[in-house]
Amino acid sequence: GAVVSQHPSWVICKSGTSVKIECRSLDFQATTMFWYRQFPKQSLMLMATSNEGSKATYEQGVEKDKFLINHASLTLSTLTVTSAHPEDSSFYICSATMWGSGGLNEQFFGPGTRLTVL
Amino acid sequence: AQSVTQLGSHVSVSEGALVLLRCNYSSSVPPYLFWYVQYPNQGLQLLLKYTTGATLVKGINGFEAEFKKSETSFHLTKPSAHMSDAAEYFCAVTRGGGNKLTFGTGTQLKVEL
Repeated sequence: GAVVSQHPSWVICKSGTSVKIECRSLDFQATTMFWYRQFPKQSLMLMATSNEGSKATYEQGVEKDKFLINHASLTLSTLTVTSAHPEDSSFYICSATMWGSGGLNEQFFGPGTRLTVL
Repeated sequence: AQSVTQLGSHVSVSEGALVLLRCNYSSSVPPYLFWYVQYPNQGLQLLLKYTTGATLVKGINGFEAEFKKSETSFHLTKPSAHMSDAAEYFCAVTRGGGNKLTFGTGTQLKVEL
């Protein structure tokens, strides 16, 4: 149980185009989903937190107009990288939470999406 | 605010040897602590977590970690390394039952024959 999928697993696009990445919780309803960015050989940096039906909360320094997040249902969140540029090339990972024992909202991570912008 | 420090970005051990990955945290409130493993081009898999109660926590694949409040540490250990343990390991902290995870910079574990 508690499986999170991401699609696509990798994508290559031209500079200036937009790319949409999907994050799905396959066997549970996610109260909250998170989007992370990971540069090569570095740690995960939280980009934004999204709750179903409400606007995402972005971390300081993350451009909300650049990285559009939509959380239309309890099982699906999407991240759209608008007008992508080579510096947006990165590994994007989502996670989803559900209520766990003792109230701890354990995060379950997707397999990640490798974005390369040419 | 909370933070995590992982000492040693690269650790190399021989197969069968003890694995010790270090993690120190800083938190203004009792922390919840996690260790995750990441294989190349994959997401993160939870190894183990500490919330409350017993300070020695056992996880998957033979790993365990001990929460030491006096040392603000949560080091990850495994008695005998296996080749399949080669991966990137991340320590993370969250405030109480809060959602936001703060990750350490990661430790790349290499297992040699």
